[in-house]
Amino acid sequence: RKEVEQDPGPFNVPEGATVAFNCTYSNSASQSFFWYRQDCRKEPKLLMSVYSSGNEDGRFTAQLNRASQYISLLIRDSKLSDSATYLCVVNTGDNTDKLIFGTGTRLQVFP
Amino acid sequence: DVKVTQSSRYLVKRTGEKVFLECVQDMDHENMFWYRQDPGLGLRLIYFSYDVKMKEKGDIPEGYSVSREKKERFSLILESASTNQTSMYLCASSLRQPTEAFFGQGTRLTVV
Repeated sequence: RKEVEQDPGPFNVPEGATVAFNCTYSNSASQSFFWYRQDCRKEPKLLMSVYSSGNEDGRFTAQLNRASQYISLLIRDSKLSDSATYLCVVNTGDNTDKLIFGTGTRLQVFP
Repeated sequence: DVKVTQSSRYLVKRTGEKVFLECVQDMDHENMFWYRQDPGLGLRLIYFSYDVKMKEKGDIPEGYSVSREKKERFSLILESASTNQTSMYLCASSLRQPTEAFFGQGTRLTVV
């Protein structure tokens, strides 16, 4: 089983739609969780950290479910500019700072 | 602003050559990472360093080595380049206690 698994998509949604991505991780000892965004031919950049109680940043909401070992990202009122690949990132949980990336979920927002 | 700089955007090397990929960060970060990114496989960790001269293997270290003689610089070395090492290589850095990792712009390496 991969350490971090995501549905590769693509998710094709119209502007204004709500879309949700899930990501599962295999190591129950993992403590840090993030969502990154990667635009075509660019480097990944942090979108948001994921906290135990869930957190929101504008149109973006991240949730963590430790019991089921998954994290989610919800995007409301999708914009064309949200089109990108969204990467789930988890630390390895072995008392190091190693970060493991999922393969990413591609989102395409159309007019 | 944090800056992570990779020495080359594009490189073409021949099979068997020794290849050095350099990465420099300017924010005094303890952690530095080397990943490669391939279609369908995402980012895979090659090596990780948490301090000068300290390194840990990632998921795919075979065929690679690293050097961290100074805190700001982390080098990836392909001892004898092979065609299956053609890929996008991404360097990143972060503070201790996993926080945001900042990436360089990537080096697209082609081995012919």
